Amino acid sequence: SQQGEEDPQALSIQEGENATMNCSYKTSINNLQWYRQNSGRGLVHLILIRSNEREKHSGRLRVTLDTSKKSSSLLITASRAADTASYFCATVNAGNMLTFGGGTRLMVKP
Amino acid sequence: DADVTQTPRNRITKTGKRIMLECSQTKGHDRMYWYRQDPGLGLRLIYYSFDVKDINKGEISDGYSVSRQAQAKFSLSLESAIPNQTALYFCATSDFRTSTDTQYFGPGTRLTVL
Repeated sequence: SQQGEEDPQALSIQEGENATMNCSYKTSINNLQWYRQNSGRGLVHLILIRSNEREKHSGRLRVTLDTSKKSSSLLITASRAADTASYFCATVNAGNMLTFGGGTRLMVKP
Repeated sequence: DADVTQTPRNRITKTGKRIMLECSQTKGHDRMYWYRQDPGLGLRLIYYSFDVKDINKGEISDGYSVSRQAQAKFSLSLESAIPNQTALYFCATSDFRTSTDTQYFGPGTRLTVL
């Protein structure tokens, strides 16, 4: 079973707009990671946030973590057509095992 | 990521055939994983290995077996392929020393079982 569940399952926006994806999980975690997958390709690690962190930035990416609500969000600012992909959250528990959610499919229209 | 390679990239086979998917990595990582992805869904863990002598079942190991031939090589076998094993298969690696389990993925193998 999947630890993380992303919301929405699909998102369509115009280029230049911001995209926000949410992830909820069930058990305590050591860290939470976000990955991107371009169609039919391998996943690429984007950003990691540890359980004692609340917010992290990397370029146009902003990740927040609320451990009390067991949720995280990924914000992509000023989106580009090249950001079109599926985005997955993945949690790492005390056993240091990564568990993936079902993903959000993002389409950015030019 | 060119550091993790998978062969073949595409494979079409028939029901009942034995199939082997291979994964090699040059990252020097000790941990390796095999995942399966079905259309529109996330990844499910099939098997994982923390070192050459360590093999562990994942969420969906039935119908699959693995071999860790060396630190850099981890192969996945379907002993008798069936149509519902049609999927995209990914190999991944991680470095125990980082303690974050950040994983690095190969390009995937698209397997079709007729």
